[in-house]
Amino acid sequence: QLQLQESGPGLLKPSETLSCTCAVSGGSISSQGHYWGWIRQPPGKGLEWIGGIYYSGNIYYNPPLKGRVTISIDRPKNLFSLKLTSVTAADTAVYYCARITLDRGILNWFDPWGQGTLVTVSS
Amino acid sequence: SYELTQPPSVSVSPGQTASITCSGDKLGDKDASWYQQKPGQSPVLVIYQDSKRPSGIPERFSGSNSGNTATLTISGTQPMDEADYYCQAWDGSTAGFGGGTKLTVL
Repeated sequence: QLQLQESGPGLLKPSETLSCTCAVSGGSISSQGHYWGWIRQPPGKGLEWIGGIYYSGNIYYNPPLKGRVTISIDRPKNLFSLKLTSVTAADTAVYYCARITLDRGILNWFDPWGQGTLVTVSS
Repeated sequence: SYELTQPPSVSVSPGQTASITCSGDKLGDKDASWYQQKPGQSPVLVIYQDSKRPSGIPERFSGSNSGNTATLTISGTQPMDEADYYCQAWDGSTAGFGGGTKLTVL
């Protein structure tokens, strides 16, 4: 059974860089047919897609975040990572990772999701 | 990102049918997914490709998608179905999530 496990810094100060990692177990991150994505959820609010990466290194980012986000993949370690620069209080959120299935070559559903990691930005 | 609109809240009595809508430009031309999120938990996929149910999701969950609106229907709603529900679709390489609908079973 595929499982995803996020890890993150917990608390950051404004202007610092957020770094989160998603460890994948029970399956290979190099499997064809899936992207690996990051989604965030501010406290009490809805879901926001951050971006996704394919095992080959192809990456898609959500345009509003594109200038501050970097997603990378480490195939030998079976994990992928998120970096978000110049954080502010508005970046306070639970950060989730999830597998994204490709169907007929089209990006499709997110499943499964990790349990999420709360990142708080505060001075 | 692709904008999807959901009603903030829907109420239903136990045993009745709940319908949650999701509106977006030409949404019917895309694949819509739905996620259930209970307090303190991660989202769980309940419908994908408009109307398909993942293994383990009860048959009372169904979906449809046409025109600009996708609909999640829960037949015979149970108290355990009380949760936030999010729709999701892709516009090319950009994913959009609806703002979420809080389903109250009372």
